[in-house]
Amino acid sequence: EPEVTQTPSHQVTQMGQEVILRCVPISNHLYFYWYRQILGQKVEFLVSFYNNEISEKSEIFDDQFSVERPDGSNFTLKIRSTKLEDSAMYFCASSDRVNQPQHFGDGTRLSIL
Amino acid sequence: QKEVEQNSGPLSVPEGAIASLNCTYSDRGSQSFFWYRQYSGKSPELIMSIYSNGDKEDGRFTAQLNKASQYVSLLIRDSQPSDSATYLCAAIPIQGAQKLVFGQGTRLTINP
Repeated sequence: EPEVTQTPSHQVTQMGQEVILRCVPISNHLYFYWYRQILGQKVEFLVSFYNNEISEKSEIFDDQFSVERPDGSNFTLKIRSTKLEDSAMYFCASSDRVNQPQHFGDGTRLSIL
Repeated sequence: QKEVEQNSGPLSVPEGAIASLNCTYSDRGSQSFFWYRQYSGKSPELIMSIYSNGDKEDGRFTAQLNKASQYVSLLIRDSQPSDSATYLCAAIPIQGAQKLVFGQGTRLTINP
């Protein structure tokens, strides 16, 4: 069964450094998403991406965040200057249409020191 | 603020019994609802989607939707120890929107 893949599985970064999280969505899917889950808390929406542009973003997704689809398969989340509170699991998801189930990758555990 | 609410549990059910998980949502315009299972330290795994009022069955799982009461539930029949996990209810708040709004999850433990 096709799946969303994310790399790395764990990223440890010093506060203030830039980090890029990578995702390969399911190949025939057109909608891509990033979510995060701080330990013990809800899964929170960050951003959705369609047709090479952001279609929706949350209040969490401020100027330090950006997303990109640099080629036909990868979808990346960049955090420009990481803060301690950015420590969380970051999940990439994809879906083939709006309002349809979103399939999640295994996540990247981001630890900011 | 568009919210999805769940009882965080823990909910403890004996093996072989029916587990009943409940969820309410605040946005009356919500159209699409999903149940995900999340094992500790893992990602959400889709179990069921439901879009219309009534019941939808898939194997041991039944999702129920009542839009008038803004209520979604998940029944797990013949519960197995491997069903022990946190169950996340999620909704897409308005037609054409894309984000999932998640509840805080209900932790379910199946006791052998």
